[in-house]
Amino acid sequence: EVQLVESGGGLVRPGGSLRLSCVASGLTFSDAWLIWVRQAPGKGLEWVGHIRKKTDGGTADYAASVKGRFTISRDDSNNTLYLQMKSLKTEDTGVYYCSFPGGDDDSWGQGTLVTVSS
Amino acid sequence: QSALTQPASVSGSPGQSITISCTGTSSDVGGYDYVSWYQQRPGKAPRLLIYDVSHRPSGVSNRFSGSKSGNTASLTISGLQTEDEADYYCLSYTTFSALYVFGTGTKVTVL
Repeated sequence: EVQLVESGGGLVRPGGSLRLSCVASGLTFSDAWLIWVRQAPGKGLEWVGHIRKKTDGGTADYAASVKGRFTISRDDSNNTLYLQMKSLKTEDTGVYYCSFPGGDDDSWGQGTLVTVSS
Repeated sequence: QSALTQPASVSGSPGQSITISCTGTSSDVGGYDYVSWYQQRPGKAPRLLIYDVSHRPSGVSNRFSGSKSGNTASLTISGLQTEDEADYYCLSYTTFSALYVFGTGTKVTVL
């Protein structure tokens, strides 16, 4: 069974930075494309970005709303996915989910709350 | 990239069938067979119901089915049950920068 556990959320001031982590188990992490999705309070889901597996280049793509401010990275040796967030804005407030889009093995973490407020 | 368009709410009585639409463009829904559907209950993470337009993961009830016609994808829930009350989101590959885009979400109410 695939399990994903996010951490690192919290309260941060506008303009600040935060790094989220997502530790995975139950899958061959190095073979996985992984994604980050967020949800503002009372709002819908928003695709933040995804990262390819190393054999597909290991590169990441981002939503226009976060491009240039957020960076997705991975540590295959520790089965960990990261989301580095900089220049945070109040509209970045929400629950952040990591996910493994694996069809039958599709899995999501429980989410971690990020609050950007002064 | 704008979100795909879904009706804000759909309702039905137990046992009935309902259909949720997800309308995009030829650059997303209409151009690729990469449409997924998710169910989200309050306070919970999304759960995959359908991927690649019409494929159902193991463990998902066959009461859920997906299809696509032109720029519109659809999720049908047959034999509606009270446990189906939730928010539903479509997701599609898109040629725009994000590469994937969610729908606006639909709240399903069982009357």
